[in-house]
Amino acid sequence: EVQLLESGGDLVQPGGSLRLSCAASGFTFSKYAMTWVRQAPGKGLEWVSTITGSGYTTFYADSVKSRFTISRDNSKNTLFLHMSNLRADDTAIYYCAKALDDYGYSSAWSFFDYWGQGAPVTVSS
Amino acid sequence: DVQMTQSPSSLSASVGDRVTITCRASQSIARYLNWYQQKPGKAPKLLIYSASTLQSGVPSRFSGSGSGTAFTLTIGSLQPEDFATYYCQQSYNTPITFGQGTRLDIK
Repeated sequence: EVQLLESGGDLVQPGGSLRLSCAASGFTFSKYAMTWVRQAPGKGLEWVSTITGSGYTTFYADSVKSRFTISRDNSKNTLFLHMSNLRADDTAIYYCAKALDDYGYSSAWSFFDYWGQGAPVTVSS
Repeated sequence: DVQMTQSPSSLSASVGDRVTITCRASQSIARYLNWYQQKPGKAPKLLIYSASTLQSGVPSRFSGSGSGTAFTLTIGSLQPEDFATYYCQQSYNTPITFGQGTRLDIK
């Protein structure tokens, strides 16, 4: 059974940093692209970042580029999102999501069949 | 960026009704269009990908169609568990973008 379990969500002051983790199980982690999607309170879904199975290629939304860094440790089946210079509008539930394939193999690297339960991040003083 | 626009934003319907939700892209995205269902306090669930392919385990009352810039999600006969918010998402290019959502309520 595929499971994705996020952790690391917290209350942080504006300008602060935070690292989210997503522990994966039930599939061969290194063979799939992984993505972070966020949802601000009462709002819709916003794509944040994607990383390929190898970890060599990453993609970012303009709203987080240069502030957030996605990474993965395939030896530990874990996905990360390092967030810095946090702003109030980064307040959201952050979901990790598994793609149906890896980048470069098919178009299925950019839609998501399994999601974690979400990690809440609140940026406030 | 490809802008995705859903209509309606909200919809009231009854159990047994047939419901259609529309999603329009600001440019052609071929058939790189996916649909998700989200219930309150839960993560989204993939329903349909590549415009019309039903994800494994999703009931056959859900169907998708369209290509280019216009797409539809149809629920053939609403069940109580279908009342939720639905999102379209384009996977044509980055940035990946979602529609604003369609909230489906019980009438």
